[in-house]
Amino acid sequence: DSGVTQTPKHLITATGQRVTLRCSPRSGDLSVYWYQQSLDQGLQFLIQYYNGEERAKGNILERFSAQQFPDLHSELNLSSLELGDSALYFCASSVEAPPDTQYFGPGTRLTVL
Amino acid sequence: GENVEQHPSTLSVQEGDSAVIKCTYSDSASNYFPWYKQELGKRPQLIIDIRSNVGEKKDQRIAVTLNKTAKHFSLHITETQPEDSAVYFCAASTQTGANNLFFGTGTRLTVIP
Repeated sequence: DSGVTQTPKHLITATGQRVTLRCSPRSGDLSVYWYQQSLDQGLQFLIQYYNGEERAKGNILERFSAQQFPDLHSELNLSSLELGDSALYFCASSVEAPPDTQYFGPGTRLTVL
Repeated sequence: GENVEQHPSTLSVQEGDSAVIKCTYSDSASNYFPWYKQELGKRPQLIIDIRSNVGEKKDQRIAVTLNKTAKHFSLHITETQPEDSAVYFCAASTQTGANNLFFGTGTRLTVIP
């Protein structure tokens, strides 16, 4: 167990819908990262937050957004869902003191029908 | 941005043999190189990492080597066991500012009993 928690574990929804994925980092970690893992795409970095502020953006679609709250948990919002958004979404956290190690949560499996 | 290439994509070895997975990276500013093991449907788990000021690091049956001049790093697993069967991902990060990870495409390792 990495200490990073994610909810829900599984999510099944329809095209056009909106969902919210939640992540709680390890105690003491200030930085949260979101990654998407599709069958044919490997692990792709989406976005990073550090202590409530957006730090870096990767290949995140405009339909996707995220935020980190004062208690340091983070939410990833996915809207206008398409079939191709079906994937495993992982959250990772780190202390953010370079060089740094990222620990991954168990992931949320999103299925868009 | 950083581009990480990983080879081979699949690797089968007999139990007890060694396995080697190789990665190259493009950004000379990258200075942190973790390796993750991922079992089917589960989270990536950090198994070993190396910083740019170190050429080699070993942890029991697992070792990682880094050649900064050639911009490549490798994972070596000795005395492989069936439980080593999984997908292995290499990654690279600059560790300054946004230290998100850029992942290789993964190697599916199968250890044949």
